[in-house]
Amino acid sequence: KQEVTQIPAALSVPEGENLVLNCSFTDSAIYNLQWFRQDPGKGLTSLLLIQSSQREQTSGRLNASLDKSSGRSTLYIAASQPGDSATYLCAGKTGANSKLTFGKGITLSVRP
Amino acid sequence: KAGVTQTPRYLIKTRGQQVTLSCSPISGHRSVSWYQQTPGQGLQFLFEYFSETQRNKGNFPGRFSGRQFSNSRSEMNVSTLELGDSALYLCASSYGTSGGYTDTQYFGPGTRLTVL
Repeated sequence: KQEVTQIPAALSVPEGENLVLNCSFTDSAIYNLQWFRQDPGKGLTSLLLIQSSQREQTSGRLNASLDKSSGRSTLYIAASQPGDSATYLCAGKTGANSKLTFGKGITLSVRP
Repeated sequence: KAGVTQTPRYLIKTRGQQVTLSCSPISGHRSVSWYQQTPGQGLQFLFEYFSETQRNKGNFPGRFSGRQFSNSRSEMNVSTLELGDSALYLCASSYGTSGGYTDTQYFGPGTRLTVL
């Protein structure tokens, strides 16, 4: 059974800082891993998806990596801005048709 | 391309009642998944439908049920509501095929259900 953990639950950083959000998963036979952003009271917005055959994906200031052997994924945010303040969730699948298992998320606050 | 839509956006019910939530996926998407989000439990998977068939099911009681229509729209039903069913219910759609970026899930804004 896949379990996904995100620590810490909350993070506060000053604007402009580069930061890394961590995600751990228990089943190394992960099929893909997806990072989402959620603003308060809203739905989730997909940020990046990494297939098991890939090591990283990039989109603008965001870079996500996947290390199956260590059971870890990281989301790197460069030059953070107050608009990046949100909850970031990672979720993994163990097979093409399996369900998506979510971590509880990291609530990020970027201070001006 | 229109995103995932969910109706209604807000709902207030009393214990014992039943409720139906609706989700319209992105055009062309055949997979619809439902999630319950609460502050304590986070996002929990309810079920997934693909081409009108339930493909995956989470660990929720039988009071929670769903279906998918031929146009891929999906409904979720909760019978005999309990206070603990108060949550944000999210649906997500994807192409549902194996592999590649077609597997990306796109979420709707959610339905906020309050049970009094």
